Amino acid sequence: KQEVTQIPAALSVPEGENLVLNCSFTDSAIYNLQWFRQDPGKGLTSLLLIQSSQREQTSGRLNASLDKSSGRSTLYIAASQPGDSATYLCAVRPREGGSEKLVFGKGTKLTVNP
Amino acid sequence: DAGITQSPRHKVTETGTPVTLRCHQTENHRYMYWYRQDPGHGLRLIHYSYGVKDTDKGEVSDGYSVSRSKTEDFLLTLESATSSQTSVYFCAISEPEWGYEQYFGPGTRLTVT
Repeated sequence: KQEVTQIPAALSVPEGENLVLNCSFTDSAIYNLQWFRQDPGKGLTSLLLIQSSQREQTSGRLNASLDKSSGRSTLYIAASQPGDSATYLCAVRPREGGSEKLVFGKGTKLTVNP
Repeated sequence: DAGITQSPRHKVTETGTPVTLRCHQTENHRYMYWYRQDPGHGLRLIHYSYGVKDTDKGEVSDGYSVSRSKTEDFLLTLESATSSQTSVYFCAISEPEWGYEQYFGPGTRLTVT
């Protein structure tokens, strides 16, 4: 059974710092991996989608990498800002039967201090 | 904005009553999903649909049923609500053409007393 882990559960950094959020998964047989942002009391906003054949994706100050063989993904945030404060979730789409589902990690709560 | 709305946004109901949550999308996307989000468990898939009248179970489907009679609407029904179904419910959509990237609605906060 696929399991997704995000460590740390919470992270606090000063504004302007570059930071990395980690995501690990137990089964490398995945179609893709997706990173989301969730603000308190809100829905999930898709940040980046990495297909299993890709190594990384970039959007603005965000860069996500995927190492399928080691079961790891990282989300790099450059020059962090207070507006980046949110919970960041990663999710994988397994290749096993019923592949339409996503398996989520429990998230990393990021606080960027002014 | 993926054009997804959920209704109601907040609901308080009593144990044993039936509850229906609605997810509405405006652009005829094929795949629709229902998730619940709980502290300590994260997001878990309840049911999903891959077309009109085509649905399947997720990992936490017990106590829930779904229906999709039109492309744009995906309904989640709690036949007899229990306190364990107090949660935040999210709807999502996806398309194969997007690489199955999922886009989420704003959520419904359900409290069962």
